[in-house]
Amino acid sequence: AQTVTQSQPEMSVQEAETVTLSCTYDTSENNYYLFWYKQPPSRQMILVIRQEAYKQQNATENRFSVNFQKAAKSFSLKISDSQLGDTAMYFCAFMKLEGLTFGEGTQLTVNP
Amino acid sequence: EAGVAQSPRYKIIEKRQSVAFWCNPISGHATLYWYQQILGQGPKLLIQFQNNGVVDDSQLPKDRFSAERLKGVDSTLKIQPAKLEDSAVYLCASSLDIAGGPVETQYFGPGTRLLVL
Repeated sequence: AQTVTQSQPEMSVQEAETVTLSCTYDTSENNYYLFWYKQPPSRQMILVIRQEAYKQQNATENRFSVNFQKAAKSFSLKISDSQLGDTAMYFCAFMKLEGLTFGEGTQLTVNP
Repeated sequence: EAGVAQSPRYKIIEKRQSVAFWCNPISGHATLYWYQQILGQGPKLLIQFQNNGVVDDSQLPKDRFSAERLKGVDSTLKIQPAKLEDSAVYLCASSLDIAGGPVETQYFGPGTRLLVL
């Protein structure tokens, strides 16, 4: 069974600064998918970014980018130019063919 | 394009009562998931449907939980009888998943918050 670990329960950052959220996972699979989702107080789970394990290039989506280290089984999320609207719970998730396996989440607070 | 719809948004029941949640996925999405999210935790997969067939229900407590997806579109998740520890948010998600294609992104509904007293 796969496991996903997010070792930072809470983080805070000043508006316009950069922050990195950590995620590690454990799997014996070679082909899989990794995701970062954000969940604001409204509780709607929103996709931030996805990464296919067979792709060596790190995924980017505007201010969001990942550092995917397959050998180390590490998948961190970098948020540049943080905005107040980025305040949310962030979940790292792993997927092979069945449903997502989520980490415990990191609560990110962006301070003005 | 309409997103994943869920109802009700909130439900309060007493233990040993029954409750049902409804989910309408994004039009054309073949795969539908139900997740349970206990407060302070990440969501946990309960069941996955591909069209109207079950792909994975290994984490569904089958003595009290049941789910169906008749006609491969809408889905219902039922709890009977409910326990205190079932208090959680129940999330429904759907994905496109064309046969033989890559794994598609899951899109989530707003969830149903259940409180069991």
